[in-house]
Amino acid sequence: GQNIDQPTEMTATEGAIVQINCTYQTSGFNGLFWYQQHAGEAPTFLSYNVLDGLEEKGRFSSFLSRSKGYSYLLLKELQMKDSASYLCAVRSYAGKSTFGDGTTLTVKP
Amino acid sequence: GAGVSQSPSNKVTEKGKDVELRCDPISGHTALYWYRQRLGQGLEFLIYFQGNSAPDKSGLPSDRFSAERTGESVSTLTIQRTQQEDSAVYLCASSYPTSGRTSYEQYFGPGTRLTVT
Repeated sequence: GQNIDQPTEMTATEGAIVQINCTYQTSGFNGLFWYQQHAGEAPTFLSYNVLDGLEEKGRFSSFLSRSKGYSYLLLKELQMKDSASYLCAVRSYAGKSTFGDGTTLTVKP
Repeated sequence: GAGVSQSPSNKVTEKGKDVELRCDPISGHTALYWYRQRLGQGLEFLIYFQGNSAPDKSGLPSDRFSAERTGESVSTLTIQRTQQEDSAVYLCASSYPTSGRTSYEQYFGPGTRLTVT
């Protein structure tokens, strides 16, 4: 099965950088996804890692270490609109996705 | 193009009644997922359909829950004899199928908010 851990809450200041960590224990790993979910809305895709290393996309970057079962999402130049829940999800070879409980990020002015 | 749609958007039902939730995935997405999200919590996997393969039902919490999918299109999630603990947002997502080491992101519908009174 899959076990995914993320911090429950984080707070950061507008304009700063924040790193949200995700650790997982899994069988049949076939990729790790990060999603953003604003309150009352559906999750939307942010990033995908299947190989070790850093994937950069604008202000958002995601890192994966398969040997350590570890990923992080890095958000730069934080904006107030980045206040949301960030979900880490692991995909198995069979295609099933398991989500962590999410990290609620609050950006303060 | 059209995204994933779900209906109804809100459903209030009395304890003990059956409910049926509908999901229309994005055309061409052969993979379809159902999740449950209780207030302030993460996504709880319920069931996964992939093409003509047998669905992965490992997340269904009890035999009161069932889901069907017509070919590679519409899916319905049925909850029989609803209980108050079934109150949650039920999210449907679709994606292209996993192929080898390539996985594709899921596109989520707006969800159905179910309230059992």
